[in-house]
Amino acid sequence: GAVVSQHPSWVICKSGTSVKIECRSLDFQATTMFWYRQFPKQSLMLMATSNEGSKATYEQGVEKDKFLINHASLTLSTLTVTSAHPEDSSFYICSARDTFPRQRYNEQFFGPGTRLTVL
Amino acid sequence: KQEVTQIPAALSVPEGENLVLNCSFTDSAIYNLQWFRQDPGKGLTSLLLIQSSQREQTSGRLNASLDKSSGRSTLYIAASQPGDSATYLCAVRGYNNAGNMLTFGGGTRLMVKP
Repeated sequence: GAVVSQHPSWVICKSGTSVKIECRSLDFQATTMFWYRQFPKQSLMLMATSNEGSKATYEQGVEKDKFLINHASLTLSTLTVTSAHPEDSSFYICSARDTFPRQRYNEQFFGPGTRLTVL
Repeated sequence: KQEVTQIPAALSVPEGENLVLNCSFTDSAIYNLQWFRQDPGKGLTSLLLIQSSQREQTSGRLNASLDKSSGRSTLYIAASQPGDSATYLCAVRGYNNAGNMLTFGGGTRLMVKP
């Protein structure tokens, strides 16, 4: 149980285009999902917290107009990188937290990541 | 602001050695601490989760300890194998308005040579 998937696994796009990444909780409902970014040989940096049915909370320094997050259902959150540029190339990982009051409520389950390369 | 540091950043050992990976954090007000494994180009695999009230957790050849007052955790790997080669990440879960934010350390890249 507690499986999180991401789609696509990798994507290559031209500069200026927009890319959508999906994060799904497959066997549980997630009121909260988290989006992280990881540059090569660096650790994960939290970008934003996504709550079902409400606006996402962005970390300092993350442009909310560039990284659009939609959490429309209890099993799906999407991250759209708008007008992508080469500096947006990174590994994007999502995680999901089960709904209260399950025992595993405070644990995050991570997706396999999406490799974005912007040419 | 919570800061998490992992030492060493990289480690290369021969097969069979027992290893200790270190993690330290600056704010002891944590909810729990979690160790993850990450293979190159892959997502995270949770290894062990230690609640703030616990001192250690064990799973197979892995043992993680937590000393919250001193802001330290160690991951002990017994009888290392080449398949243990990966990056090991330590993350602490604190308290914030969004609920239990995870802060990651920089990771330890482990290479176990046959």
